[in-house]
Amino acid sequence: GAVVSQHPSWVICKSGTSVKIECRSLDFQATTMFWYRQFPKQSLMLMATSNEGSKATYEQGVEKDKFLINHASLTLSTLTVTSAHPEDSSFYICSARVPPYGYTFGSGTRLTVV
Amino acid sequence: SQQGEEDPQALSIQEGENATMNCSYKTSINNLQWYRQNSGRGLVHLILIRSNEREKHSGRLRVTLDTSKKSSSLLITASRAADTASYFCATDVGNQFYFGTGTSLTVIP
Repeated sequence: GAVVSQHPSWVICKSGTSVKIECRSLDFQATTMFWYRQFPKQSLMLMATSNEGSKATYEQGVEKDKFLINHASLTLSTLTVTSAHPEDSSFYICSARVPPYGYTFGSGTRLTVV
Repeated sequence: SQQGEEDPQALSIQEGENATMNCSYKTSINNLQWYRQNSGRGLVHLILIRSNEREKHSGRLRVTLDTSKKSSSLLITASRAADTASYFCATDVGNQFYFGTGTSLTVIP
């Protein structure tokens, strides 16, 4: 089946630094990818939708200059958290649309900013 | 926000009992899906129901969809301790895919 590989699975970084999270579709071409953030004991909140070769569409309240999304190829999408702060500590999950109806999810990245 | 709402927020039952969780959403959908998540880990896809379907079964899972009420329900029959997890509905509304608020299920052995 369609698999999305997400790396790293966890990362600890210092406040003010940037962190890049990668999602790769291993056996299919991901035209559309989604990025979610999940705080403890809460649901997944959609941050942005990215389409290969075009700018990402951000949900209301998500700072596009802080959460940089790049979807330069059909198999790779990246999320860069710039100038990370402790409040950015969260669980980040990517997802790719698998036609016609399905979605496949990465295993998630736990980001801790200290 | 497009996020759906689920109730109850938390549910605790004895092993062997049935668990029912409900999801309400706001806009027209292409399909609705249910996922399970164990303790902040990755998501496990459970079942998909299309907008033109009313009921679907998969093993011990039964999902209903009422598009006129914009609601869905997930029934887990004969629950097991291993079913303890958070359950989320998710709606495909075209180019976005939104999760509900989730139900935390605890099955007591």
